[in-house]
Amino acid sequence: DVKVTQSSRYLVKRTGEKVFLECVQDMDHENMFWYRQDPGLGLRLIYFSYDVKMKEKGDIPEGYSVSREKKERFSLILESASTNQTSMYLCASSTGQGIYNEQFFGPGTRLTVL
Amino acid sequence: GQQVMQIPQYQHVQEGEDFTTYCNSSTTLSNIQWYKQRPGGHPVFLIQLVKSGEVKKQKRLTFQFGEAKKNSSLHITATQTTDVGTYFCASTSGTYKYIFGTGTRLKVLA
Repeated sequence: DVKVTQSSRYLVKRTGEKVFLECVQDMDHENMFWYRQDPGLGLRLIYFSYDVKMKEKGDIPEGYSVSREKKERFSLILESASTNQTSMYLCASSTGQGIYNEQFFGPGTRLTVL
Repeated sequence: GQQVMQIPQYQHVQEGEDFTTYCNSSTTLSNIQWYKQRPGGHPVFLIQLVKSGEVKKQKRLTFQFGEAKKNSSLHITATQTTDVGTYFCASTSGTYKYIFGTGTRLKVLA
């Protein structure tokens, strides 16, 4: 079974802090994604990566950056956390073989910025 | 850009009643995926439709992809309490990017 893990289930940070969210997958997937989930807005793509050291902006990249130094690990960075970044953050991965591949999600990190 | 609208946003049904959620797009979709997210959980892949007019079934769940590939539906027959959760549709935009609908939250009253 594919396993996607995220470093924390719950996180509380203060405004202005630098925040790191880490995601690890164990299925050798090429593609990895970061979403945020807010009530009524569904899942919105922040960034994705289709290879090591490669990254692409999603729909809402402002205020975020990412890092993918190893194939299995994809990190989301909030350089200076703000209250409007309080949300559920979901990491996902998918194989790069073929097209239209299903995504496997991690358990999510609920981030609260005070 | 490509958008996928999903309705209704919420649905409460009595156990045993049927339930349907719809996904609509103004542009032709290459595919449709459906995911289920249980309360407190994460989205889990259910199925993918690719062909125009395609219909697939999983026990009490029926998935359809419209003839014009601009809409899709998920129908649950005789809902059970285990069906509770939020159902999302998603479509691939380009090679890597996925566009998710806003989701339909289903509550089943016993």
